Amino acid sequence: DVKVTQSSRYLVKRTGEKVFLECVQDMDHENMFWYRQDPGLGLRLIYFSYDVKMKEKGDIPEGYSVSREKKERFSLILESASTNQTSMYLCATWAGTSEKLFFGSGTQLSVL
Amino acid sequence: GNSVTQMEGPVTLSEEAFLTINCTYTATGYPSLFWYVQYPGEGLQLLLKATKADDKGSNKGFEATYRKETTSFHLEKGSVQVSDSAVYFCALEGGSYIPTFGRGTSLIVHP
Repeated sequence: DVKVTQSSRYLVKRTGEKVFLECVQDMDHENMFWYRQDPGLGLRLIYFSYDVKMKEKGDIPEGYSVSREKKERFSLILESASTNQTSMYLCATWAGTSEKLFFGSGTQLSVL
Repeated sequence: GNSVTQMEGPVTLSEEAFLTINCTYTATGYPSLFWYVQYPGEGLQLLLKATKADDKGSNKGFEATYRKETTSFHLEKGSVQVSDSAVYFCALEGGSYIPTFGRGTSLIVHP
């Protein structure tokens, strides 16, 4: 089955730090996504990518950037972390043939 | 644009009770509809889907029918178990390969 691996399960950072969240998939999927999940707000799309070096803003891109240098890796970057970025971050890939998303286990980020 | 509205939780049931979680959507065209489930401490995983009107998706005793006339995709299960306790997300995909999610409904099943 498809594996989507997020580098950290829990992460604690300080305000103003630059934060990298890594996501790696093993199935050669072209479409990859970063969501944040907050209680009562569900999943909100931050950025997505259709291919290497390609990126598109989602619904809430402010304060974030992304990098996709290789097809299997999609990184989310918080340039200067703030406390309102404390959240669960979920990476996902889209499998066109089976028409569904595959999710990683998530990274719970706390910014102090 | 596309949107998904699902009932707020938490939904609290006793084991073997009947479950319904309502989901309605707004979309142009003919989207595909999905239910994803998130068990504690995990990412989301696909529970079931339907790709056209009147299709019924089913998995693990859960069912949902794509109703275009009422723009709904309600999730049902005849007899819930404690192990079904999770957060359930309704979602749609309208041809752009960018799914839109509802806010999620927490289900708590007591023994």
